Amino acid sequence: EAGVTQFPSHSVIEKGQTVTLRCDPISGHDNLYWYRRVMGKEIKFLLHFVKESKQDESGMPNNRFLAERTGGTYSTLKVQPAELEDSGVYFCASSQESKGGVAFFGQGTRLTVV
Amino acid sequence: EDQVTQSPEALRLQEGESSSLNCSYTVSGLRGLFWYRQDPGKGPEFLFTLYSAGEEKEKERLKATLTKKESFLHITAPKPEDSATYLCAVRLNAGNMLTFGGGTRLMVKP
Repeated sequence: EAGVTQFPSHSVIEKGQTVTLRCDPISGHDNLYWYRRVMGKEIKFLLHFVKESKQDESGMPNNRFLAERTGGTYSTLKVQPAELEDSGVYFCASSQESKGGVAFFGQGTRLTVV
Repeated sequence: EDQVTQSPEALRLQEGESSSLNCSYTVSGLRGLFWYRQDPGKGPEFLFTLYSAGEEKEKERLKATLTKKESFLHITAPKPEDSATYLCAVRLNAGNMLTFGGGTRLMVKP
């Protein structure tokens, strides 16, 4: 069974540019989550999709962040325009309640804004 | 405010030297406590879920336990390949997301 896949693994962009991160969850997982770890801090929740619907976006830092989940499959997280403080590692996770709700994580996208 | 605190932040052990990592939590309505292992440049890898006080789970050299206020990850006779960051996270009754602790960076020397 393929795991959670994230693209790209690394991204370096200039302040003010736009970046789009992609996450392909485990097939059949209805729940998809985005998390972020900034330097020296713990991993923090950003938002949660159930299929194509946003269930909880209470962790999104501001309106420069836009997440979508097309047809309940893959998800994208766009940052526009990027600021220096957006640098960090962005993780995607997916889960299925019928399998205990355990969240399985992708390898992360390291975003550096310069 | 819900809080998850892990200690120590870093731990150095000699191969074979058993020890324990701590995860203390102050939350309202615990639905589950999760332990993950994270290697450099990779995402968190699931280890255990604990749901109620008194529960224990084991996997190879690792054993996780849970009380009403904290969880311990016991490592018996560790090997260098156990070196990683161990993360604790809680899932609350309200919402599905995980709230993470800061992690414990474990280094096992041969």
